Amino acid sequence: GNSVTQMEGPVTLSEEAFLTINCTYTATGYPSLFWYVQYPGEGLQLLLKATKADDKGSNKGFEATYRKETTSFHLEKGSVQVSDSAVYFCALSDRRGSQGNLIFGKGTKLSVKP
Amino acid sequence: GAGVSQSPSNKVTEKGKDVELRCDPISGHTALYWYRQSLGQGLEFLIYFQGNSAPDKSGLPSDRFSAERTGGSVSTLTIQRTQQEDSAVYLCASRKTGDGGYGYTFGSGTRLTVV
Repeated sequence: GNSVTQMEGPVTLSEEAFLTINCTYTATGYPSLFWYVQYPGEGLQLLLKATKADDKGSNKGFEATYRKETTSFHLEKGSVQVSDSAVYFCALSDRRGSQGNLIFGKGTKLSVKP
Repeated sequence: GAGVSQSPSNKVTEKGKDVELRCDPISGHTALYWYRQSLGQGLEFLIYFQGNSAPDKSGLPSDRFSAERTGGSVSTLTIQRTQQEDSAVYLCASRKTGDGGYGYTFGSGTRLTVV
């Protein structure tokens, strides 16, 4: 079945450091890929998305490129801030069964220190 | 409303009791999802409602779990005879149909603790 695997955390970085959170997926067909973010005490929010191969999603300085050849969607940011501390979830849309249902990775907790 | 509203935000219950969790989706969003977020396990799909169609219950972990959606709007997730392993954050999300699989809006969740 479809699945998402992302690097386990927690990840601790200093402010202005470079961030990479790895995400790989297994899917039949051509899923859409997403990164969601959950700030402390808040609900999940869509951070960025990509709907086809080679698309690059970007938002708030974060980027991720849909790589079909490596089945990856790694999240990157060039210079993290304390306010980026959150849990990040990689997800894909599963169009079998529950149409548009999201399948999530286990989440990666990021802590950014000043 | 402006967002997806879930209640209660926290619930502590004794093992063996029944609990009801409520989700009020965004007005006009025809699709509604329930997920469970357990520590170290990520988000687990539970059930999906789409308009007046029969719900997709394929993610419900046992027959102690059920959900309904009245009038295509508010949804209630019921857990009967709660067990300690049911302790988790239960998230509800809604979206418009036909938005390509994105455009989900999540509620802040209900943290359920079974003691």
